[in-house]
Amino acid sequence: GAGVSQTPSNKVTEKGKYVELRCDPISGHTALYWYRQSLGQGPEFLIYFQGTGAADDSGLPNDRFFAVRPEGSVSTLKIQRTERGDSAVYLCASSLGPSSYEQYFGPGTRLTVT
Amino acid sequence: QKEVEQNSGPLSVPEGAIASLNCTYSDRGSQSFFWYRQYSGKSPELIMSIYSNGDKEDGRFTAQLNKASQYVSLLIRDSQPSDSATYLCAVRGSNYQLIWGAGTKLIIKP
Repeated sequence: GAGVSQTPSNKVTEKGKYVELRCDPISGHTALYWYRQSLGQGPEFLIYFQGTGAADDSGLPNDRFFAVRPEGSVSTLKIQRTERGDSAVYLCASSLGPSSYEQYFGPGTRLTVT
Repeated sequence: QKEVEQNSGPLSVPEGAIASLNCTYSDRGSQSFFWYRQYSGKSPELIMSIYSNGDKEDGRFTAQLNKASQYVSLLIRDSQPSDSATYLCAVRGSNYQLIWGAGTKLIIKP
């Protein structure tokens, strides 16, 4: 079946602009996670959704970052007033549910802020 | 102290040999552990999960967990050039998120 998809695959934006990154999880997966990964590092947790609600947003670095999942499927990560330090690969993962521990990742969105 | 630690490598192993990758973690209460493989420019791919002390085998891969010593390892038998990648160790946190090591770069030499 189809895996996790993310769009766009690459996004280049200017400092100060607003961006939206989209994630479409595996069908039937109720849990959705956003991570970001910088070069040479492991992924860093940002936010976790169970259904439509953000169950844990403790990883969001500041209030410029926001994510939604209005219908419990597709999620959008929104970044306001982008900074060069936001440049990274943004990864989305999904799992059947919180008690299903295995998370499956999409291909990621490479964000470059110039 | 980092929560999940791995040797960054690179670890160079001849083709056909056993590659051994190690990971230590700091939270003694951790219960779920994962190994992901990541090729350059690609996203992490789940290859093994382990939840109980001891060994878990899947094909050429064996994961080993020792909760008393707080380490997890991954053995790759009959290493192939296609196994060359970065291997990421991840531990499930209390709020379902994964906590990651920085990864070990593995190079299989033909």
